[in-house]
Amino acid sequence: EVQLVESGGGLVQPGGSLRLSCAASGFTFSTYWMHWVRQVPGKGLVWVARINSDGSTTTYADSVKGRFTISRDNAKNTLYLQMNSLRAEDTAVYYCAEGGVEYWGQGTLVTVSS
Amino acid sequence: DVVMTQSPLSLPVTLGQPASISCRSSQSLVYSDGNTYLHWFQQRPGQSPRRLIDKVSNRDSGVPDRFSGSGSGTDFTLKISRVEAEDVGVYYCLQGTHWPFTFGQGTRLEIK
Repeated sequence: EVQLVESGGGLVQPGGSLRLSCAASGFTFSTYWMHWVRQVPGKGLVWVARINSDGSTTTYADSVKGRFTISRDNAKNTLYLQMNSLRAEDTAVYYCAEGGVEYWGQGTLVTVSS
Repeated sequence: DVVMTQSPLSLPVTLGQPASISCRSSQSLVYSDGNTYLHWFQQRPGQSPRRLIDKVSNRDSGVPDRFSGSGSGTDFTLKISRVEAEDVGVYYCLQGTHWPFTFGQGTRLEIK
C-alpha cells in the first residue's frame, strides 16, 4: 500500500524557517518525481514545487522561488521542503504527492503568524 | 500560466440525478508525447485530494463507474451518472502538461 506521511508543520513567525518532510512507502520512491502542493484552508490547491527522481532537477512556483527548496533523500525514501523567509501568505496545508499525482499525503499545516 | 476555468462553481444536485462539471484550459493540454495530462480530483471535507480520473478519461482503481471523464484539447468534462451522498465535496481539474501545473477553482457539489 502506498503511503505518504508529511510532518514538520507548525506555527512560525514571519521571516522564520521550517522544514517539512514526507516519508514515502509502498512504491519505489527513487524512480518517481515528487511534488509539494499547498492549500489555504477553505481555498483551492496550488502547486509549490517538484523534483525529479534523482534530485537533479527542481522547479518552483514563482511565489516561492528563492525562498523554498525541495530536496529528497532516496536512501531514506523521504522528500523535503525547506521553507525560509516565511510570510503570512504561506499559511496553508502542505501536501506531498507522487509524480503521477495519484497518491497524496494527509497534509501538514503551516501557520505563519506573530 | 495555464488558466483552468471550471463551471459551475456550485452544484446542488438531487440524489440519484446526474451531474456535470466543465473544465476549460487557456491552452491546449496535449503534451509532446501525445498524452493529455488533464486529471480530475475529489476532495471530501477534511480529506486530502483523491484522484478520480487520470489523463482525461481513465478512471482510477476503486473509483465507482458512475464517474466518467471526457474531452480533448482545451475542453473537458467530468460526469457523475447518479449522484450519491458520498459524492459531496469539491471537485478540481488539474492540468499537468505545462509547468506550473494548475488547478481549476473547484466545484462544490452538494445535495439539494
